[in-house]
Amino acid sequence: KQEVTQIPAALSVPEGENLVLNCSFTDSAIYNLQWFRQDPGKGLTSLLLIQSSQREQTSGRLNASLDKSSGRSTLYIAASQPGDSATYLCAVRPGNQFYFGTGTSLTVIP
Amino acid sequence: NAGVMQNPRHLVRRRGQEARLRCSPMKGHSHVYWYRQLPEEGLKFMVYLQKENIIDESGMPKERFSAEFPKEGPSILRIQQVVRGDSAAYFCASSRSGDEQYFGPGTRLTVT
Repeated sequence: KQEVTQIPAALSVPEGENLVLNCSFTDSAIYNLQWFRQDPGKGLTSLLLIQSSQREQTSGRLNASLDKSSGRSTLYIAASQPGDSATYLCAVRPGNQFYFGTGTSLTVIP
Repeated sequence: NAGVMQNPRHLVRRRGQEARLRCSPMKGHSHVYWYRQLPEEGLKFMVYLQKENIIDESGMPKERFSAEFPKEGPSILRIQQVVRGDSAAYFCASSRSGDEQYFGPGTRLTVT
């Protein structure tokens, strides 16, 4: 069974810092991996989707990488802003199901 | 293009009542997924549907829960005879091809 782990569970950084969020998964046989952000009491917003054949995807200040063989993905956020404060979730799709990690709660301090 | 819509956003039911949660996918999306998020826990897959078909319901409790996605109209997640442990946020996601998912705002169910 696929298990997805996200480290750290919580992170607090001053505004302007670059930061890395980690996601690891136990079964490397996946179709894709998707990063989301979730604001308190809200739904999930898709940030980046990486197909299994890809190594990375970029959108604005965000860059996600995928190393399928080692079961790892990272989300890099450049020049963090207070508006980036949220919970960040990764999800992997080995079949029909998507498996989610429990998230990293990010606080960016002005 | 409107996003995934869910209603109601908040639902309060007494123990033993039925809860019906609705999800309208994004235009052009024929894949629908339901997830449950219990307090202090991660999102757990419940069921995956395409129009008129249940593709994978391996995450759905065997009793009291059912889901459908009819040819016309929204997808429905139905919980019969609700219990306190059903209190959670229920999220629906849709996808065009089964790849990238787009989530709705969720329905927060409270069972009193």
